[in-house]
Amino acid sequence: SQQGEEDPQALSIQEGENATMNCSYKTSINNLQWYRQNSGRGLVHLILIRSNEREKHSGRLRVTLDTSKKSSSLLITASRAADTASYFCATDGMTGRRALTFGSGTRLQVQP
Amino acid sequence: NAGVTQTPKFQVLKTGQSMTLQCAQDMNHNSMYWYRQDPGMGLRLIYYSASEGTTDKGEVPNGYNVSRLNKREFSLRLESAAPSQTSVYFCASRPGLEANEQFFGPGTRLTVL
Repeated sequence: SQQGEEDPQALSIQEGENATMNCSYKTSINNLQWYRQNSGRGLVHLILIRSNEREKHSGRLRVTLDTSKKSSSLLITASRAADTASYFCATDGMTGRRALTFGSGTRLQVQP
Repeated sequence: NAGVTQTPKFQVLKTGQSMTLQCAQDMNHNSMYWYRQDPGMGLRLIYYSASEGTTDKGEVPNGYNVSRLNKREFSLRLESAAPSQTSVYFCASRPGLEANEQFFGPGTRLTVL
């Protein structure tokens, strides 16, 4: 079963607006990562937040983590048409294999 | 650097046929992974290799086998393909278990009729 559940499943906004995606997970984690997937392509790493961090920024991306609620959010500010993609959260658990467990993703459509 | 490469890009099989998906990375990474992605879903781990010479099962290993041929290459074999194995398969690598980010290949789209 998948660790994360993402909300919303799909999001459509206009260029220039902000996009917020949420992720919930079930077990303790070392860190949580966000990945982007353009249609028909592989995943690309965007940002990582460690379990002892609450907020992190990278360019137009802002990630928050609330370990007490087992949830995270990804905010993309001033969105562009090129941001159209699927976004996945992935948790890096505390088991030895350190494999990522992915959520089901949010499909973001940014209208020009 | 080519990063993570996968072959083939597309494949159609008939039920019962076998095939091997190839993956190679040129980043000198220790850990490699195979995932499958079904429509509208996230990735699920099939097998992983923490380092050369070791392989372990992931979340959905049934119907698959893997070989870590050397540090660069990690192949996934379907011995007797079934329609339920229709999916997009992604290979990924990671510098080591203590590193965080995974690097993904472009994927292999497999259809089993």
